[in-house]
Amino acid sequence: QKEVEQNSGPLSVPEGAIASLNCTYSDRVSQSFFWYRQYSGKSPELIMSIYSNGDKEDGRFTAQLNKASQYVSLLIRDSQPSDSATYLCATRTGRRALTFGSGTRLQVQP
Amino acid sequence: SAVISQKPSRDICQRGTSLTIQCQVDSQVTMMFWYRQQPGQSLTLIATANQGSEATYESGFVIDKFPISRPNLTFSTLTVSNMSPEDSSIYLCSGGTGTNYGYTFGSGTRLTVV
Repeated sequence: QKEVEQNSGPLSVPEGAIASLNCTYSDRVSQSFFWYRQYSGKSPELIMSIYSNGDKEDGRFTAQLNKASQYVSLLIRDSQPSDSATYLCATRTGRRALTFGSGTRLQVQP
Repeated sequence: SAVISQKPSRDICQRGTSLTIQCQVDSQVTMMFWYRQQPGQSLTLIATANQGSEATYESGFVIDKFPISRPNLTFSTLTVSNMSPEDSSIYLCSGGTGTNYGYTFGSGTRLTVV
């Protein structure tokens, strides 16, 4: 079983819609959770972090964490073509390195 | 968050040679890491670069093949030694304070071994 699992996609949504990206993790001691966006040919860019159960909002992005279900999600409201990228879910315990999922490719159709 | 400058951005190397990749951080960071990313795949951790001591390698990666240095809190190098075509990949360094912030990444090094 992979430590961090994501649907590889592609997830295709029309412009202006809500994109919902999901991630599950197996290590119950994971403490911190992150979403990175990676454009083709570029390095990952941190867009959201979440540490406590519940929702965290930042602009058009909302991260959701449910530690009991070991589930993390990212909602992107009013999706734009510029949001088309691969979204990587990552977990961390303490000061260790991040453990990444395989990523979900998002396509926003104009 | 820290800004990481990584170089070279890309290189084409002959098999059997070595390449050293450098990462310079604009501020002191507690943690630095090296990852490899095959095209279309996720990131695989190579090692944790420890300041002033030997790096901690993940399963499948060894010091003789991927020697790492970290002389201070703002700089690290990864050498890919005795390269073969299987080493062709994108290599990324990452760093941060390890507290309630994510880590940032360098711009990556695209390595092709011919």
